[in-house]
Amino acid sequence: DSGVTQTPKHLITATGQRVTLRCSPRSGDLSVYWYQQSLDQGLQFLIQYYNGEERAKGNILERFSAQQFPDLHSELNLSSLELGDSALYFCASSVEGYTEAFFGQGTRLTVV
Amino acid sequence: AQKVTQAQTEISVVEKEDVTLDCVYETRDTTYYLFWYKQPPSGELVFLIRRNSFDEQNEISGRYSWNFQKSTSSFNFTITASQVVDSAVYFCALRLIQGAQKLVFGQGTRLTINP
Repeated sequence: DSGVTQTPKHLITATGQRVTLRCSPRSGDLSVYWYQQSLDQGLQFLIQYYNGEERAKGNILERFSAQQFPDLHSELNLSSLELGDSALYFCASSVEGYTEAFFGQGTRLTVV
Repeated sequence: AQKVTQAQTEISVVEKEDVTLDCVYETRDTTYYLFWYKQPPSGELVFLIRRNSFDEQNEISGRYSWNFQKSTSSFNFTITASQVVDSAVYFCALRLIQGAQKLVFGQGTRLTINP
């Protein structure tokens, strides 16, 4: 158990809908990262937050947004969902940027 | 830009064989971290090891060993006396020490250990 908790584990939704994925980092970790794993793109970095502020952005679509709250948990919001958004979404956390990141179990999103 | 290449898409061996997973990386930065992660069939990503670019010492942990060679930009992973429980997808990743803290992953190698 990495100590990073993601909910829900599975999510099935229809095209055009909006969903929210939730992540609770390990106790004491200030950095939260979101990654997307799909068959065609592999593991791609989406966005990083550090202590509530956006730190870095990767290949995140404009339809996607994230935030980190004062209690350090983070949410990834995906809107206007398309079939191609079906993927495994991982959250990871680290104490600070320069250490290893520990990953949650992921949320498997299926868009139908 | 950084890039990580795992040329072996799939490897299949018989239990107790030794197996080496290759990883080649590209970066213009001189300071960086290299990682290996394991993704078992259950789907989670499990951290295995982190190496610093300025530390080329090989690492051994039980049946696992890692060979980091800066001269060839490689960070290979060897499993000795493989076991069925080693079956998983293994990812090599790179992260710069300065600047963006994102992990850049290779495409992964699916390792199957047959009994």
